[in-house]
Amino acid sequence: GEDVEQSLFLSVREGDSSVINCTYTDSSSTYLYWYKQEPGAGLQLLTYIFSNMDMKQDQRLTVLLNKKDKHLSLRIADTQTGDSAIYFCAESSGTGGFKTIFGAGTRLFVKA
Amino acid sequence: GAVVSQHPSWVICKSGTSVKIECRSLDFQATTMFWYRQFPKQSLMLMATSNEGSKATYEQGVEKDKFLINHASLTLSTLTVTSAHPEDSSFYICSAELGLAGEQFFGPGTRLTVL
Repeated sequence: GEDVEQSLFLSVREGDSSVINCTYTDSSSTYLYWYKQEPGAGLQLLTYIFSNMDMKQDQRLTVLLNKKDKHLSLRIADTQTGDSAIYFCAESSGTGGFKTIFGAGTRLFVKA
Repeated sequence: GAVVSQHPSWVICKSGTSVKIECRSLDFQATTMFWYRQFPKQSLMLMATSNEGSKATYEQGVEKDKFLINHASLTLSTLTVTSAHPEDSSFYICSAELGLAGEQFFGPGTRLTVL
């Protein structure tokens, strides 16, 4: 079945850039998402990208998509301690009740 | 906008009792809602897809008679854990689908502890 994989842990210094990587297997993925989860809370949608796009930038966030390699990345510029959280990569083949497949989450730790 | 609430945020119950969790979309209508379960340090496990006015679609391995889902209106879906046991203890999160890209907006989660 479909699978989404991402590294489990990333540690960066405050002010540096963070890059969280993700790979997926579903070639029919239409939408790819990044969600953020802080301790004891639900997930917050950070950004998403359509599969026909290569890049999307939103303030400090840059999403890169390599559809050929089925590789998605999230770059956070000028990482702050408040960015410490778990980041989930996810993909979906459609809307209207299509399942979204989530990765296991990357725990980002920002050192002051 | 796009706020989803869950109630209660946490609940402790005795083994054998039933617990109802509510998921509400506060400022939009949600035809489709999802229920997830999350174990410590693990990803989300989709339990079921809840569609307003119709029966929920359960994922393989999820007992529909144990986890009752009712999506009675466009702003409310409920999950009832019937005859709860300690192994049902978990973090339950709901989400509502909104937007052209199928974005999901998540509730804050409900921590269930069954003694």
